[in-house]
Amino acid sequence: GQNIDQPTEMTATEGAIVQINCTYQTSGFNGLFWYQQHAGEAPTFLSYNVLDGLEEKGRFSSFLSRSKGYSYLLLKELQMKDSASYLCAVHNDYKLSFGAGTTVTVRA
Amino acid sequence: ETGVTQTPRHLVMGMTNKKSLKCEQHLGHNAMYWYKQSAKKPLELMFVYSLEERVENNSVPSRFSPECPNSSHLFLHLHTLQPEDSALYLCASSQVARDGQPQHFGDGTRLSIL
Repeated sequence: GQNIDQPTEMTATEGAIVQINCTYQTSGFNGLFWYQQHAGEAPTFLSYNVLDGLEEKGRFSSFLSRSKGYSYLLLKELQMKDSASYLCAVHNDYKLSFGAGTTVTVRA
Repeated sequence: ETGVTQTPRHLVMGMTNKKSLKCEQHLGHNAMYWYKQSAKKPLELMFVYSLEERVENNSVPSRFSPECPNSSHLFLHLHTLQPEDSALYLCASSQVARDGQPQHFGDGTRLSIL
């Protein structure tokens, strides 16, 4: 079976840093995706981790530990436009299995 | 036009109606997917097509019937739906289904069953 957990909601102040954790227990694992989804819009790709470690892309970074079944997405220098849902998804063969998403609210 | 386009954006139908959702991708991808997104629930994979062949049917009720006539088009035919089928239906495409290529999503069809 697939079990992917992430917090439901997080709130942070503009300019701050927020870390969204994702833990997973899945029957297979090729890699882990992070997607961003604004309300009423399509999910958009942020990152894909296959190997352990940190991958940095501008203000967003993603970390993976395969042995611990753990990933996080780090959002730095938060902006109001970063208010969205962030989806963690485990890739296995043809499938993506998603967590329920973390709604991040950025306050001025 | 680029990306993944879904039509219609909104659909209201009765339980006895038959309708179809359409998805078109202009990215040159060869894998396409249907997902269901209900409020406060994870995205659920419904169907996967790779090179126009169905490779995954995730225990979806037969009242949902997919069709992939070519690598650019994907349909979801709906028949005798239930109120619990009301949700956002998302289409996605990727370069190759098995590799870790990111999936590109359309904006979805918001389906309401009366």
